[in-house]
Amino acid sequence: AIRMTQSPPSFSASTGDRVTITCRASEGISSYLAWYQQKPGKAPNLLIYAASTLQSGVPSRFSGSGSGTNFTLTISCLQSEDFASYYCQQYYSYPWTFGQGTKVEIK
Amino acid sequence: EVQLVESGGGLVQPGGSLRLSCAASGFTFSSYSLSWVRQTPGKGLEWVSYISSSSSIIHYADSVKGRFTISRDNAKNSLHLQMNSLTDEDTAVYYCARGYCRSSSCAFDYWGQGTLVTVSS
Repeated sequence: AIRMTQSPPSFSASTGDRVTITCRASEGISSYLAWYQQKPGKAPNLLIYAASTLQSGVPSRFSGSGSGTNFTLTISCLQSEDFASYYCQQYYSYPWTFGQGTKVEIK
Repeated sequence: EVQLVESGGGLVQPGGSLRLSCAASGFTFSSYSLSWVRQTPGKGLEWVSYISSSSSIIHYADSVKGRFTISRDNAKNSLHLQMNSLTDEDTAVYYCARGYCRSSSCAFDYWGQGTLVTVSS
C-alpha cells in the first residue's frame, strides 16, 4: 500500500497567517491527490482534488500543488473557520490511503 | 441537495455481524460510485470498500477482505456494508462517501454523517 506522510502533525497559527501543510507519498501517484478539511464531530469535506483543482464552493485562499510524491496544501490567509484537521488522500492505486492528518490550532 | 445518511451502527460482540446502510438523495444515485470509509482516533481515516455505479467493480481493503461485503440497490438509492467476523479492530465511525472520479480513481465529494460501530464484549 502507498503510505501518505503528512507534516507537521499539528501546529499553532494566528488568523491572517499563511500556512502550508506537506504530504509525501511513498511512491509516485501522479496528481491523484485530494485534500480534506475535518472539524470535530463532522465528516471530512473535500477541498482540493487532482492535487491542485479547487472543489466548487471552497474559498480561493485554499490552494494545492505538487505531483509525483510531494504535495502541499496552502491557506493564504488563515480565517477563524479554518482551524480544523486536514488530510491528504491518494487515489492512484488501491488501497486508497490517507495521511495521518494535520491539526491546525489557534495560537 | 446531496444527502447521504448512514444507519445500522451499534454495539456488537467480537465475532458478530452488522449490516450498515446508506440512504442517498439529491443526485442520480445510479450514476455514481460509492465507498465506505472508516475513522478511528488511533488509525485515522481508512478506506474500506468501493463499488462502481453498476456494481460491476468492487474493491476491498485487505483488512476487511473476506469478512465485509459491499452492495448497492440502485432502485432504492441505497448502499450497504455487510460486516461479518467483527473484531475490536473494526471499531470505528463508518462513513459512506460519493466518488468524484476520473475513470475509477476517486476522491470523495460528499460524505454522510457517519455511524458508530463498537465491537466489544
